[in-house]
Order: sequence, then structure tokens, then C-alpha cells
Amino acid sequence: NAGVTQTPKFQVLKTGQSMTLQCAQDMNHEYMSWYRQDPGMGLRLIHYSVGAGITDQGEVPNGYNVSRSTTEDFPLRLLSAAPSQTSVYFCASSLDRKEYEQYFGPGTRLTVT
Amino acid sequence: SQQGEEDPQALSIQEGENATMNCSYKTSINNLQWYRQNSGRGLVHLILIRSNEREKHSGRLRVTLDTSKKSSSLLITASRAADTASYFCATEVAGANNLFFGTGTRLTVIP
Repeated sequence: NAGVTQTPKFQVLKTGQSMTLQCAQDMNHEYMSWYRQDPGMGLRLIHYSVGAGITDQGEVPNGYNVSRSTTEDFPLRLLSAAPSQTSVYFCASSLDRKEYEQYFGPGTRLTVT
Repeated sequence: SQQGEEDPQALSIQEGENATMNCSYKTSINNLQWYRQNSGRGLVHLILIRSNEREKHSGRLRVTLDTSKKSSSLLITASRAADTASYFCATEVAGANNLFFGTGTRLTVIP
């Protein structure tokens, strides 16, 4: 199993550009989520999904969209990048939304200039 | 915020010593998890303790939970240089659909 994969590893965007961060898992996990990690802030939840076709907002959803058309994939779209979105983004999945350990991808380091 | 707070923010010890880090949280929880993050990597799950449990062990890790004080501690015994990483607690809050992560403790183990 590859586990949770994320692409790209690094990305630089100009303000106003849009892009999609890719996330895929091959463990047949129902629950997937996106976090951003900023210095001194820990991880903050952006969006999550409890299964294909079902998504919901987390703590910091503004400026981001998600969709879940398959169990495996959970892309995160930045609609119009802003410098405040400079961060490291992690995708995670778990068997269930609560009690099970979350498996994290390696992260995408995004810089918005 | 329902985020946990780890204490200390940074800890530096000699190889072979024990490392203790603490997590405090604000609201009632269903379970609490500890994760490790090596520099530049994603988080790795270490251990989960449920609200009705007081202590749990996994290899060199010992986790305690005191729900009356809304706190947990992670003890790493006989530390190794490879234990150098950031450690995060994450709480599953009753009624919420996600985990809330703390800000982490940066552990450095000096060979």
C-alpha cells in the first residue's frame, strides 16, 4: 500500500492564481481531511469528508473548496490564492471519522507571493 | 478554540533519559491521541487513549489521562536520538466530527 499520497510536494503561486492540491489513499478509508500547519498554530482543519459525495467545513474553510467523487481521492482547491494561505498542507485519512488513527500524507509546502 | 496545549513547547534531553510532555484541553473528550512529526514529514499516530482509560502503554511510550484535570501526559522512556521530533496531542471532542490538534512539543534528544 502506498498509504496517503499528496502532490505536489512544493508549489509557489502568485496572488490570485488558483490551483488544486491532490490527495489519494489506497486503504479504502471512509474519512479524509485536509489540514494546514502554520508555525505556533498546530494543525487546523480546513475541510473533511466522511465518505464519497459527502464533504463538510472544518475550522478554517474560507478560500478553499473540496469534492469527494471517489473513496480514494480528495482534492483541495484554492480558488484565488492569497499570501495568508502560505502554509504546509496535510491530507489525512482514517477508517472511520473518529476513533481510528489518522494516516497523514507527506505534505505540500505552498508559498503564495 | 478547543485546541489542546502542549507543555513544554520545547524539550532537550540526553540520550537514555526519559522525556515527559503534557497536554491540556478545554472540553470533554471521547478520546485523546498522540502523534509524532519528524522534520518535513507528515504526522504519525503513536497511541490513542479513551476517556474511560487512565493509562496506556506501547513499547517505550506511556500515556496517562486525567479527565478531571483535562490533561494527558506522554512519557518516552530511555530516549534515543531517533525520538527527536515534534509531538502533538489531538482530542476527539464529543459532538464534533474531527480531531483538534495542539501546538506541539519539540523534543530534541542529544546523542
